Amino acid sequence: GAGVSQSPSNKVTEKGKDVELRCDPISGHTALYWYRQSLGQGLEFLIYFQGNSAPDKSGLPSDRFSAERTGGSVSTLTIQRTQQEDSAVYLCASSWGDGLNTEAFFGQGTRLTVV
Amino acid sequence: GENVEQHPSTLSVQEGDSAVIKCTYSDSASNYFPWYKQELGKRPQLIIDIRSNVGEKKDQRIAVTLNKTAKHFSLHITETQPEDSAVYFCAASLPTGYALNFGKGTSLLVTP
Repeated sequence: GAGVSQSPSNKVTEKGKDVELRCDPISGHTALYWYRQSLGQGLEFLIYFQGNSAPDKSGLPSDRFSAERTGGSVSTLTIQRTQQEDSAVYLCASSWGDGLNTEAFFGQGTRLTVV
Repeated sequence: GENVEQHPSTLSVQEGDSAVIKCTYSDSASNYFPWYKQELGKRPQLIIDIRSNVGEKKDQRIAVTLNKTAKHFSLHITETQPEDSAVYFCAASLPTGYALNFGKGTSLLVTP
């Protein structure tokens, strides 16, 4: 596709369950970001992948959160034992990551609701 | 890591007036400063960016200025229109291999 694709677009889950959120970046983009946006709030950095380098996990809020990026393309954000405070929109973005710090293109986000 | 502060959190202006949003950053090694606009229910989109070797950049009604010494940068929107109403986010990043760190956003309302 032409843009960053995220799935599902909406996810309702029960407290304590695990969820997986998927991001398909733009083809050829080596940099991939996950952000969390709570209602009316800013963009909270979660994790950053750049090529084959070790990811920057400094934004992950707890050990219940993890992310993988397979083959330098698709990424999955996993939240284990979900809590109500995990409810938010999870945004993925990708960029060329070629040292020119070019534009980050965002997906439409996954709205997660923990009930 | 990089810490980005953004002010004000909300801003209301009348159509035709100018709007200014300011951001500060903590790491003097940061070299890339984009601004994103997020309309209600939509994804953030880049509207303008500036690199540390430039002091000012303009694109029609929007401009960004950068003061490296003071570690702050600003977004200026002139002749505001109702369609400029949105949340604006500033960001900063260190050179290659580091993530974009965003400010908390400014909700701009332009009233007719």
